[in-house]
Amino acid sequence: DTAVSQTPKYLVTQMGNDKSIKCEQNLGHDTMYWYKQDSKKFLKIMFSYNNKELIINETVPNRFSPKSPDKAHLNLHINSLELGDSAVYFCASSLGTGETDTQYFGPGTRLTVL
Amino acid sequence: AQSVTQLDSQVPVFEEAPVELRCNYSSSVSVYLFWYVQYPNQGLQLLLKYLSGSTLVKGINGFEAEFNKSQTSFHLRKPSVHISDTAEYFCAVSDLTGGFKTIFGAGTRLFVKA
Repeated sequence: DTAVSQTPKYLVTQMGNDKSIKCEQNLGHDTMYWYKQDSKKFLKIMFSYNNKELIINETVPNRFSPKSPDKAHLNLHINSLELGDSAVYFCASSLGTGETDTQYFGPGTRLTVL
Repeated sequence: AQSVTQLDSQVPVFEEAPVELRCNYSSSVSVYLFWYVQYPNQGLQLLLKYLSGSTLVKGINGFEAEFNKSQTSFHLRKPSVHISDTAEYFCAVSDLTGGFKTIFGAGTRLFVKA
């Protein structure tokens, strides 16, 4: 059973389009995250939700909107896609919000904006 | 605010040789330190973490790391690497002032040659 799953795995789209990425975890964790990994492998936190409440909201364009319908799901919607949005987006989850928690990552969604 | 520096972007090494991947951090308070590994086209997974206690931490796949508070370092070591250890390795830090955030380093690409 996959612990943290993301769909789709690959996403190729044109500039200006709107797209969504879905994430689900079956670990019973309370906290979920979205990270962006650029072409140089640099990993940057975007958002985090704990029990459906937003607890981390980094400096991210407001074209990016996360949504957590329940604590097992965290989706990412991106409006008006730009070339610079091309990256790999990782979803992750952890048991709590604590600084000592291990994060469990999904396989990533490779977004290519043409 | 905490930060992480991984001193080497790439480390080539021959199979069965020892390896050390270097990580330095900065934080004004007590820290929690992590090493994650990312195999090609996969998400990150935890190798090991230091929360408290013994400064020598053993992880999966024969890796270990040593927390050195005076040097503000958390270097990762393995006495004998395998081809299958070829991957990207990320050092990460969190602390009680980080607002739930874990900060990741830029990554070190370990390339094991036959």
